[in-house]
Amino acid sequence: AQSVTQLGSHVSVSEGALVLLRCNYSSSVPPYLFWYVQYPNQGLQLLLKYTSAATLVKGINGFEAEFKKSETSFHLTKPSAHMSDAAEYFCAVSEFNFGNEKLTFGTGTRLTIIP
Amino acid sequence: DADVTQTPRNRITKTGKRIMLECSQTKGHDRMYWYRQDPGLGLRLIYYSFDVKDINKGEISDGYSVSRQAQAKFSLSLESAIPNQTALYFCATSETQGHGYTFGSGTRLTVV
Repeated sequence: AQSVTQLGSHVSVSEGALVLLRCNYSSSVPPYLFWYVQYPNQGLQLLLKYTSAATLVKGINGFEAEFKKSETSFHLTKPSAHMSDAAEYFCAVSEFNFGNEKLTFGTGTRLTIIP
Repeated sequence: DADVTQTPRNRITKTGKRIMLECSQTKGHDRMYWYRQDPGLGLRLIYYSFDVKDINKGEISDGYSVSRQAQAKFSLSLESAIPNQTALYFCATSETQGHGYTFGSGTRLTVV
């Protein structure tokens, strides 16, 4: 069965500093992997996705993530944090299912930006 | 108009009441989902539907039921609401695997 572990339920970084949000997955087959962002009082918005093409994936708002099969990881990074990045971030995994998507989500990481 | 619309946005109901949460979409997607979000637990799958004639239980379906009235509509019902069903509920749609989901804005349900 597929699962996702997000290390650190809360992460604080200073404005302008590197953002690193950790995600490790468990999957019996090559997975599809996703990062979503949730701003206060809103739904979830897709940041980026890995679907077995390039291992370094670039997303919106300057975020990127690298798929590392040997480490079963898909960590999210951004070189320089901005105040507007404050939100909750969710990693999700989907196993092959004959064309049907069914995501399993991590428990989320709340990112706080310190001015 | 939003691609995925959930109604109501907020609802307070009493223990034992029946309540329906509605979801409609204009994406033309066959696949629809209901999740609940609780602090510290992330999003957990309640029910999902890969097409109009397909309904499947997710990991936490007890106490919930669903109806897929049309490709565009997928409703979630709580037959007899209880306080631990207080949560933020999300509907989502999917085109096909690898595209991820499009989420609605959520329904915040409080059971008192």
